[in-house]
Amino acid sequence: NAGVMQNPRHLVRRRGQEARLRCSPMKGHSHVYWYRQLPEEGLKFMVYLQKENIIDESGMPKERFSAEFPKEGPSILRIQQVVRGDSAAYFCASSPVGGETEAFFGQGTRLTVV
Amino acid sequence: QKEVEQNSGPLSVPEGAIASLNCTYSDRGSQSFFWYRQYSGKSPELIMFIYSNGDKEDGRFTAQLNKASQYVSLLIRDSQPSDSATYLCAVNPNQAGTALIFGKGTTLSVSS
Repeated sequence: NAGVMQNPRHLVRRRGQEARLRCSPMKGHSHVYWYRQLPEEGLKFMVYLQKENIIDESGMPKERFSAEFPKEGPSILRIQQVVRGDSAAYFCASSPVGGETEAFFGQGTRLTVV
Repeated sequence: QKEVEQNSGPLSVPEGAIASLNCTYSDRGSQSFFWYRQYSGKSPELIMFIYSNGDKEDGRFTAQLNKASQYVSLLIRDSQPSDSATYLCAVNPNQAGTALIFGKGTTLSVSS
């Protein structure tokens, strides 16, 4: 039973490029959450999605960031025109139902903007 | 603004001692509480969850919940150097369509 799969594990982008982070939830899980973790800081909630729906995007920056979870395929977190401040670890988690049950994390994507 | 507070530490304990990690939360309606462990450079790993007041034990780990005081703790008995990590407290605000809210974590160091 594969866990939450994230790719790539490491991503280097130049300032102004686009970054695409992918997350495949655990089998049977239809709820996906994206978190960002800066060095020496905690996990900051970004967005919560179900298949084809954004449930809560209150943690997403208003510009340059977007997320989707299509009917088929992985969830995608997209960062346009990256800046150095976007450098962080981005973690995806999934759960079988929303919120009230435990969520399991992927290995994360470490984004470095140079 | 719903918040989860943890002492950042580091909390240092000798091998074999009991480590006590504490967490408070602001939303009185919260119903689900989780403890995750995160090793440096790795992803968070679920250790325990607790929903009811009182204690819940799993091996060397005990989670304690006091909803009246809005307080949840994690006790680690017979601490081992391999327990050295950052421990994250997470709370579900008990609203439909919400994600877990995490504290900033407490760093635990167990010396041999």
